[in-house]
Amino acid sequence: NAGVTQTPKFQVLKTGQSMTLQCAQDMNHEYMSWYRQDPGMGLRLIHYSVGAGITDQGEVPNGYNVSRSTTEDFPLRLLSAAPSQTSVYFCASSSAGVGVEETQYFGPGTRLLVL
Amino acid sequence: EDQVTQSPEALRLQEGESSSLNCSYTVSGLRGLFWYRQDPGKGPEFLFTLYSAGEEKEKERLKATLTKKESFLHITAPKPEDSATYLCAVRPKGGLRNFNKFYFGSGTKLNVKP
Repeated sequence: NAGVTQTPKFQVLKTGQSMTLQCAQDMNHEYMSWYRQDPGMGLRLIHYSVGAGITDQGEVPNGYNVSRSTTEDFPLRLLSAAPSQTSVYFCASSSAGVGVEETQYFGPGTRLLVL
Repeated sequence: EDQVTQSPEALRLQEGESSSLNCSYTVSGLRGLFWYRQDPGKGPEFLFTLYSAGEEKEKERLKATLTKKESFLHITAPKPEDSATYLCAVRPKGGLRNFNKFYFGSGTKLNVKP
């Protein structure tokens, strides 16, 4: 199992550009989430999904869109990048099975710099 | 409002010097409390899940405990390889669509000197 994979590892954007951060998991997990991590602020939830076709907003959803067409993939779209979106982005997945330890598995992160 | 506060922000220990990290939380109802370890440049790595007050879990030199208001991560005789940022998160009770909501603290950066 590759676990949770994220691409790209690092990206530089200019203000106003758009891009998609890719996230995929091969553990057949129902739940997937996107977080951003900024110094001194911990991990903040952007969007999350409890299954294919279902997405919800987290704490800081503005400026980001998501979709979940398959169980495996959960891309995060920045429609018009702003310097305030400079951050490290983590994707995570977890299972909802009965008796299964409830935890999230995180990807390696995407470092985004918006100039 | 659901909230998680970790203290201290940073902790420097000598190898073998035991200590504890604190995670205080405010949540309408607790489904679970989670501890993670994060190394520089990497994603968080799961350590423990605690579900109810009084519960304890251990892994090597780490022991996590839970009360109704806070959790402690006790580190016994730490080694330099325990140096990392330790994150605490809570998952509040709620409906199905809230099942995947986690609220994280800002972490404690631990540095263990040989």
